[in-house]
Amino acid sequence: EPEVTQTPSHQVTQMGQEVILRCVPISNHLYFYWYRQILGQKVEFLVSFYNNEISEKSEIFDDQFSVERPDGSNFTLKIRSTKLEDSAMYFCASSVLGGQEGLYGYTFGSGTRLTVV
Amino acid sequence: KQEVTQIPAALSVPEGENLVLNCSFTDSAIYNLQWFRQDPGKGLTSLLLIQSSQREQTSGRLNASLDKSSGRSTLYIAASQPGDSATYLCAVKSGGNMLTFGGGTRLMVKP
Repeated sequence: EPEVTQTPSHQVTQMGQEVILRCVPISNHLYFYWYRQILGQKVEFLVSFYNNEISEKSEIFDDQFSVERPDGSNFTLKIRSTKLEDSAMYFCASSVLGGQEGLYGYTFGSGTRLTVV
Repeated sequence: KQEVTQIPAALSVPEGENLVLNCSFTDSAIYNLQWFRQDPGKGLTSLLLIQSSQREQTSGRLNASLDKSSGRSTLYIAASQPGDSATYLCAVKSGGNMLTFGGGTRLMVKP
C-alpha cells in the first residue's frame, strides 16, 4: 500500500536554529499538508499546499514557517528560528483531492519528532 | 469554528469485549469523517472513512457510524484484542482543506 514517508524520524535542534522536515507524499496525490501534535494535545492543522502554492494555513503557521515542493516528489516544512514551544511531532499528509469534497481521506506519514533544546 | 470531542478519554476493557468509542462535532456541515489509530509515539493509521452521505462503514471487526444531523459518530470494535490497544482519533473535514481532530480515546485491552 502506498505510504507517505517522512525524514528524519527524530530531530534535536538548538533554540534559534533552522530546521527542515522532509516528506515524500504519495505519488498520485495532489494535496499536501502539515499537521503537528504537541505532547498530550490534539493534532493541529498547520498548512495545506496545492499546485505549488499554499491553499490554506492556520494561525500557528506564522512567518517562522514555510513550505516548499522543491522537486516532483519532496515536500518540506522549514522552521526558520526554532523556539522551545515548537517541540512537537510533525505529521505530513497527502490526499488525492481536496477542497469541498469528501470522497477521499488523508494518508499520514509516521511523523518527525522535533525536540528544541 | 468546528470543535471535535471524544468520549471517553481513556478506556480499559478485558479481552473479548465489544466496545464503542464516541466522537461528537459541533458543525454538522461536514464532508467526511475519518477514524485513525495512533500507537504511542507513532504516526496516524487510517481505519475508516465515512463520507457525509453515508451512514456507516465496516472493516473487519471495526464498524463506524455517522449521524450528521446530531453531530455524532461511533466506532464499534468487536471482540477486542490486546493488539487493539492504542489511541483512537476521529477527525472531520468541514470546509477548506483541513481536518479537525478530537482529543482521542486511549484504549487498553487487557489479556
